[in-house]
Amino acid sequence: AQSVTQPDIHITVSEGASLELRCNYSYGATPYLFWYVQSPGQGLQLLLKYFSGDTLVQGIKGFEAEFKRSQSSFNLRKPSVHWSDAAEYFCAVGTVDNDMRFGAGTRLTVKP
Amino acid sequence: EPEVTQTPSHQVTQMGQEVILRCVPISNHLYFYWYRQILGQKVEFLVSFYNNEISEKSEIFDDQFSVERPDGSNFTLKIRSTKLEDSAMYFCASSATGNFYEQYFGPGTRLTVT
Repeated sequence: AQSVTQPDIHITVSEGASLELRCNYSYGATPYLFWYVQSPGQGLQLLLKYFSGDTLVQGIKGFEAEFKRSQSSFNLRKPSVHWSDAAEYFCAVGTVDNDMRFGAGTRLTVKP
Repeated sequence: EPEVTQTPSHQVTQMGQEVILRCVPISNHLYFYWYRQILGQKVEFLVSFYNNEISEKSEIFDDQFSVERPDGSNFTLKIRSTKLEDSAMYFCASSATGNFYEQYFGPGTRLTVT
C-alpha cells in the first residue's frame, strides 16, 4: 500500500540556517510526490511537486526537493530559513486511486 | 488567482446533529475531493468525486457521510449524525484533471462536535 513517512515530528532551526525535511515513501510505481505547507489556522499550500524528469525540483518560497528513487526519498530543502517559514510541512504521494496519502507532518520552529 | 473557498470557517454542532460543509471549487475544475485532519494528526483522504458520482472513497467515509454537487458551483459534504470523533478540520480540494495534478486546497472548515 502507498504510504508516506516523515521521520521528524518537530524540527527547530535558527533563522538563516539551512533546512532539510525528510520524507520517505512506499509505492510500487513511479510516484507522484508533493510537499505542502500549512501555516497555523490556514489551509494547505502546494510548495512543489515531482512527476517525472529532473529529480531536483524547485518550488515556491525558495524551497527545493530532490527525488531519490534508490532511497525512496523526497527530502525538502531550503538554504536559508526565514522566520515566516515556521509552519507544518506535509509530504504526500499521489496514488493510482487518484487520492493523496499524506505523511504525519513535520512542525518547523524557527529561532531568532 | 482562482481559489477554492469553504464555508463556514468554523462550525460548532451538538452530537447527533447533521452538518453540511460547503465548498466552491475552482470554476473549470472537474475533480473534487474532501480530506479531513483531526487535530495534531495527518491529513486523511475521505472521498473523490467526478462526473456527479463518487470515484473513490476511504474506509473513513462510511454511511454517515455523503457528498453532493447540488448546482454548478457548490460541492458539499454532509455528516448525518455527528459524533465527537468527527471533530476535525475538513479540507475541500479540486483539480482540473484526475491525475492529481495540482490539487488546490481550500482553507478548511473546522468542525467542533460537542
